[in-house]
Amino acid sequence: GAVVSQHPSRVICKSGTSVKIECRSLDFQATTMFWYRQFPKQSLMLMATSNEGSKATYEQGVEKDKFLINHASLTLSTLTVTSAHPEDSSFYICSARVRRGLSNQPQHFGDGTRLSIL
Amino acid sequence: GQQLNQSPQSMFIQEGEDVSMNCTSSSIFNTWLWYKQDPGEGPVLLIALYKAGELTSNGRLTAQFGITRKDSFLNISASIPSDVGIYFCAGGSIQGAQKLVFGQGTRLTINP
Repeated sequence: GAVVSQHPSRVICKSGTSVKIECRSLDFQATTMFWYRQFPKQSLMLMATSNEGSKATYEQGVEKDKFLINHASLTLSTLTVTSAHPEDSSFYICSARVRRGLSNQPQHFGDGTRLSIL
Repeated sequence: GQQLNQSPQSMFIQEGEDVSMNCTSSSIFNTWLWYKQDPGEGPVLLIALYKAGELTSNGRLTAQFGITRKDSFLNISASIPSDVGIYFCAGGSIQGAQKLVFGQGTRLTINP
């Protein structure tokens, strides 16, 4: 259980293109999903917290107009990198927490999306 | 902001050896999690700890939630080749929808 699917797994596109990444919880409902960015040989850095039915909460230094997040249902959150440039190239990973009352539930991660902007 | 110090950064061991890594923080966390990440993939949850002092095992893996809530360790016994990868600790707090702060990772390499 607690499977998180992320699509696509890899994207290569030209500078100026907008790219949408999907994060789905396959066998559970997720009130909250999280979006991370990971540079080579570095740790995961939280970009934003995606809340179903409300606006996302962005971490300090993350441009909300650059990284658009939509969490329209309890099983789907999307991250759109608008007008992507080479410096946006990175490994983007989503995670989701099982919606189960107030009990502690860990975050389960997708397999990530490798974004390469030429 | 909150930071985790994870050590060691890398380990080179022989197959069959035991492994130990730890994380410390200047802040208190209510949750400690340990993940393993293989190249090009997302992190996979190994062990989740929710109570100070809690000691939990998952097969050859054992992790503990420090009594001060500021540290945690992960031990791997009798390492095997598939243990190779990067191990991350993560601390979570009740505030902020259980956002996680990650350690820098421990890269484990095993010589057969």
